[in-house]
Amino acid sequence: DAGVIQSPRHEVTEMGQEVTLRCKPISGHNSLFWYRQTMMRGLELLIYFNNNVPIDDSGMPEDRFSAKMPNASFSTLKIQPSEPRDSAVYFCASSLWGDETQYFGPGTRLLVL
Amino acid sequence: GDSVTQMEGPVTLSEEAFLTINCTYTATGYPSLFWYVQYPGEGLQLLLKATKADDKGSNKGFEATYRKETTSFHLEKGSVQVSDSAVYFCAQFSGAGSYQLTFGKGTKLSVIP
Repeated sequence: DAGVIQSPRHEVTEMGQEVTLRCKPISGHNSLFWYRQTMMRGLELLIYFNNNVPIDDSGMPEDRFSAKMPNASFSTLKIQPSEPRDSAVYFCASSLWGDETQYFGPGTRLLVL
Repeated sequence: GDSVTQMEGPVTLSEEAFLTINCTYTATGYPSLFWYVQYPGEGLQLLLKATKADDKGSNKGFEATYRKETTSFHLEKGSVQVSDSAVYFCAQFSGAGSYQLTFGKGTKLSVIP
């Protein structure tokens, strides 16, 4: 079975550029989570969706970050404009709503120069 | 608010040594507790979980017991292998409408032959 799929796996960009990260959740899962992992702050929840609707975006650091889920099989996290402090590994995870277990993708390693 | 505290690493052990990674939590209710493992270059994977007091989660030789009286969920393994080298995250599931996993900062384990 395919797990959570994320693309790209690695992204290097320059400050000020727009970055789009993509996620395909496990088929049948109706909850999707975006996390950011850094050495300094550990694993942080940015936003999560249920049935394609954003439920809690209180973890989104600022207006430069936005996330969408246009359908049950696709989500994007966009950073515009990007800054060096956005450099991190971004994970997507999915689950069945009400099921406590989340399944993580392999992550996107972002470097903003 | 809810939080998870786990021992800081890194932890370095020789093969076949006994492993303990401490984890304590603070919560208003009785959350489900988890250990996730992250191998180099990969996303997090569920290792084990426990949903109520005195439950013991186990998987791949790892065990953890949900201790309500000490609000702890320590991870143990009797004999570690080189292949166990990874970062281990303790987490709690904050239900009651928020449906979020709250993670500890992670403990890096290195097992040397």
